[in-house]
Amino acid sequence: GIQVEQSPPDLILQEGANSTLRCNFSDSVNNLQWFHQNPWGQLINLFYIPSGTKQNGRLSATTVATERYSLLYISSSQTTDSGVYFCAARVFNKFYFGSGTKLNVKP
Amino acid sequence: KAGVTQTPRYLIKTRGQQVTLSCSPISGHRSVSWYQQTPGQGLQFLFEYFSETQRNKGNFPGRFSGRQFSNSRSEMNVSTLELGDSALYLCASSSPGEDTQYFGPGTRLTVL
Repeated sequence: GIQVEQSPPDLILQEGANSTLRCNFSDSVNNLQWFHQNPWGQLINLFYIPSGTKQNGRLSATTVATERYSLLYISSSQTTDSGVYFCAARVFNKFYFGSGTKLNVKP
Repeated sequence: KAGVTQTPRYLIKTRGQQVTLSCSPISGHRSVSWYQQTPGQGLQFLFEYFSETQRNKGNFPGRFSGRQFSNSRSEMNVSTLELGDSALYLCASSSPGEDTQYFGPGTRLTVL
């Protein structure tokens, strides 16, 4: 299977700050999704983004498929943004998850 | 539409026992995938079922098995439980024309 690497592994922000999370994948993928896992374990869809740029409120994501990376931008962070962010790449009906970025937003 | 549901939410078993977990997908979704999440190994793909057939399988021993019913509900079974099977088990569903996976809340299994 492919390798999916996320950086940074941990991130501490002050409320109101902006951040960029990165996801690199080692081979061509059919799609790329970003998820937020809340403290109770629920994985929440953020973006389905095999290529291009999407925005949803304070969050946006960009995938450059030809260069095999995706970025998740969080602007004006809030304490409720805390949790773990995962990217997942799909290759032939199998999803491969990165190890996640653990975000802690302090008030 | 109701989301993906998983039962039970929490489970405690002892080594050597077996366990069955259940997942009900979003109405209309025919694909169900299962994942194991542990602090050491992260999120790992177990298997995917589509229209009652296993379509893909991850690298897990034969003690891990699953099935899907005609109403798309899925179960996974783990036999001869080991301490290392303690994990959060997540299932996800997706519809045929849609590439996005929607996850349930998970079943947290503890093996003592």
